[in-house]
Amino acid sequence: AQSVTQPDARVTVSEGASLQLRCKYSYSGTPYLFWYVQYPRQGLQLLLKYYSGDPVVQGVNGFEAEFSKSNSSFHLRKASVHWSDSAVYFCVLSAKGTNKVVFGTGTRLQVLP
Amino acid sequence: DPKIIQKPKYLVAVTGSEKILICEQYLGHNAMYWYRQSAKKPLEFMFSYSYQKLMDNQTASSRFQPQSSKKNHLDLQITALKPDDSATYFCASSQDAGWEQYFGPGTRLTVL
Repeated sequence: AQSVTQPDARVTVSEGASLQLRCKYSYSGTPYLFWYVQYPRQGLQLLLKYYSGDPVVQGVNGFEAEFSKSNSSFHLRKASVHWSDSAVYFCVLSAKGTNKVVFGTGTRLQVLP
Repeated sequence: DPKIIQKPKYLVAVTGSEKILICEQYLGHNAMYWYRQSAKKPLEFMFSYSYQKLMDNQTASSRFQPQSSKKNHLDLQITALKPDDSATYFCASSQDAGWEQYFGPGTRLTVL
């Protein structure tokens, strides 16, 4: 069975600080992994995606994520956050040819000015 | 230009009535999805379609019926509406099953 765990429901950081949002997945096959962001009263926007290859993937707005097969993780990072990064972040798992998409429960990020 | 259109943006309905939520995508994608998000539950997967065929249904109630009249359309019919159906309903699409999804702006449904 596939599953995604985002262990931190809420994260608060100060503007300019570095950020890591954690994501652990469970899947026996080859995963496709994504991070999405949802700003207040908006739909979800794709931040970055991982299918294969270089385990560090770059996304929009300075975000990056690192895939670790050994740790079954896909943590999201940003070197210096801005107040506008305040949003809910979802880690998502799928696989090639499957309609099964599993969303994590989301991490609400608050950036203090 | 918006690539995924959801209509209407806001919808108010009375208990027991029926409504149809519209979703059209202009990305040339082959797979489409419906999700629901409410204050009580995080993002909840409802249906997935691939090439206009139902692939996965995670909605327990038959009151929710997706309808695909065209490859780029996936509407959601909800019958016998209940206040608990109040939520924002998101449509999404992907090139094919498993690939990254793109989301519409959502339809916010309120059932009185």
